Amino acid sequence: NAGVTQTPKFRILKIGQSMTLQCTQDMNHNYMYWYRQDPGMGLKLIYYSVGAGITDKGEVPNGYNVSRSTTEDFPLRLELAAPSQTSVYFCATSEASLQETQYFGPGTRLLVL
Amino acid sequence: QKEVEQNSGPLSVPEGAIASLNCTYSDRGSQSFFWYRQYSGKSPELIMSIYSNGDKEDGRFTAQLNKASQYVSLLIRDSQPSDSATYLCAVIRRDDKIIFGKGTRLHILP
Repeated sequence: NAGVTQTPKFRILKIGQSMTLQCTQDMNHNYMYWYRQDPGMGLKLIYYSVGAGITDKGEVPNGYNVSRSTTEDFPLRLELAAPSQTSVYFCATSEASLQETQYFGPGTRLLVL
Repeated sequence: QKEVEQNSGPLSVPEGAIASLNCTYSDRGSQSFFWYRQYSGKSPELIMSIYSNGDKEDGRFTAQLNKASQYVSLLIRDSQPSDSATYLCAVIRRDDKIIFGKGTRLHILP
């Protein structure tokens, strides 16, 4: 089992460009999350999903969009990239609730210039 | 007051000694508490979870929770060089939002 996979590993964007960060899990977990981690900082929750078709905002949702059409996939969309979105993005899953262990993907490093 | 506060470190501990990591939180209604370990350039992985007051032990790790003082700690006994990492404290607030601290960098001295 691959667990949680994220693509790409690294990307450079120009200001104003858009892109989608991909996250796929083969753990059959209901809950999925997107975090960003700035240098020397903790994780900040962007969006999360409790199941296919259901998403909700986290702590820092502005500038991002998500969708959850299947259990396996939870893509994160950046519509108009800004330098403030330079960060490392982690996708995570948990089986059936927020109270459980979260399993993280390897991360996507994004640089917006 | 920050929602979840940790000393950023670095905390330097001799090999074989006990490392003590601390975390305070502001939402008195918080119910679930987690410690994640993150090696440099890697993703976080869960070390311990704790939900009720008192101590919870798992191998060399002990989590301690004191809800009255809004304080959670992680003790690492017989510290090893492989324990050198950043330790993130995470708290789930009463509104079911998870908040991470900035993390404490731990350095085990050989």
